[in-house]
Amino acid sequence: DAGITQSPRHKVTETGTPVTLRCHQTENHRYMYWYRQDPGHGLRLIHYSYGVKDTDKGEVSDGYSVSRSKTEDFLLTLESATSSQTSVYFCAISSPASSTDTQYFGPGTRLTVL
Amino acid sequence: RKEVEQDPGPFNVPEGATVAFNCTYSNSASQSFFWYRQDCRKEPKLLMSVYSSGNEDGRFTAQLNRASQYISLLIRDSKLSDSATYLCVVNGPTGNTGKLIFGQGTTLQVKP
Repeated sequence: DAGITQSPRHKVTETGTPVTLRCHQTENHRYMYWYRQDPGHGLRLIHYSYGVKDTDKGEVSDGYSVSRSKTEDFLLTLESATSSQTSVYFCAISSPASSTDTQYFGPGTRLTVL
Repeated sequence: RKEVEQDPGPFNVPEGATVAFNCTYSNSASQSFFWYRQDCRKEPKLLMSVYSSGNEDGRFTAQLNRASQYISLLIRDSKLSDSATYLCVVNGPTGNTGKLIFGQGTTLQVKP
């Protein structure tokens, strides 16, 4: 296993509330990613980080923010949760080299927004 | 056109069968290719990387055709434990950001 944990693993919340999901790694990998997975869409990149305090947007970043104050932690925040953000959220890590961009995934967080 | 396209299936095959999955990708600049496996309600896990010359790992064989922008995965002697969704994955835009683009996945059901 790649040494990635996510918390919480399950969460139910109400529309309009802020939610923060945490990804923690013990591998000292430089790159960290947040994806969401929905039926019919596959995995879609929300935000990613290429170092402490260095982050960038993915293809579905609206309504989400991220922070990375330490190498090992990458936080995803839903500022004001909406029902369309009900999804399974996966964190991933990688240390891209010139020949491989292999990513390793955490166990996921199931989020339900009522 | 989706950046990575796969036939979603499901593919229902008996134990011992040989099954092949195909995938096409749109970005001719892509350099890295992978197959991931995802079990129901679990995280995706790397099955194998795909190299230009083709590569094999036990019962699994991956092929890449850059000219046609086409990737395949062949599973021989299917086992019940092979039942899962198989994700075709390609690296994203140029630059060393490690961004990957995932297909929606092909579901395989191996039956006794």
